[in-house]
Amino acid sequence: DTGVSQNPRHKITKRGQNVTFRCDPISEHNRLYWYRQTLGQGPEFLTYFQNEAQLEKSRLLSDRFSAERPKGSFSTLEIQRTEQGDSAMYLCASSSDGSNQPQHFGDGTRLSIL
Amino acid sequence: DAKTTQPPSMDCAEGRAANLPCNHSTISGNEYVYWYRQIHSQGPQYIIHGLKNNETNEMASLIITEDRKSSTLILPHATLRDTAVYYCIVRGDLSGTYKYIFGTGTRLKVLA
Repeated sequence: DTGVSQNPRHKITKRGQNVTFRCDPISEHNRLYWYRQTLGQGPEFLTYFQNEAQLEKSRLLSDRFSAERPKGSFSTLEIQRTEQGDSAMYLCASSSDGSNQPQHFGDGTRLSIL
Repeated sequence: DAKTTQPPSMDCAEGRAANLPCNHSTISGNEYVYWYRQIHSQGPQYIIHGLKNNETNEMASLIITEDRKSSTLILPHATLRDTAVYYCIVRGDLSGTYKYIFGTGTRLKVLA
């Protein structure tokens, strides 16, 4: 079990640029989640995939954000025209299909907007 | 809003048991209690979860009250490496959502 892998671990970019993050879930986990965490706060839910289908999105996921999971394996989260307020840790988690199975988190991608 | 309430911080002496409380008075019958911890610059680490019976694994024990309105996570012999923010979350598959709603957690400091 290699765990949830996220790349890159850190991303520094200028305001207005586009960024893309990648998440590789635990193999055979059909459910995948994205969260965002700012300093001193708990993670906030962004979106959820069951295989390749995006089934739930938070209102935090503005039209500048898009997430995909094209083949039901890895997922990408893209932020277009980044703003200062996008600076945060972006966390990915995965879980198996079983009833009430716990989510397992990666170590996140820390985004800093200059 | 989070469905759980936790004290913002706690201290524990190294080698002693750490007992972290969580109130979840509005928990539904199908909702489980999950505990995670987060060490600085890492993602939340799953610890344990349960529905109504007490649970134990290699990391911790989870004690859920009979009315299920509160629970306690027990780290039996705390070490310095247990210093972290601990989150208590309630969620159930029948709630119509798979998302976790995190509160601000309890910052546990284990003292040498």
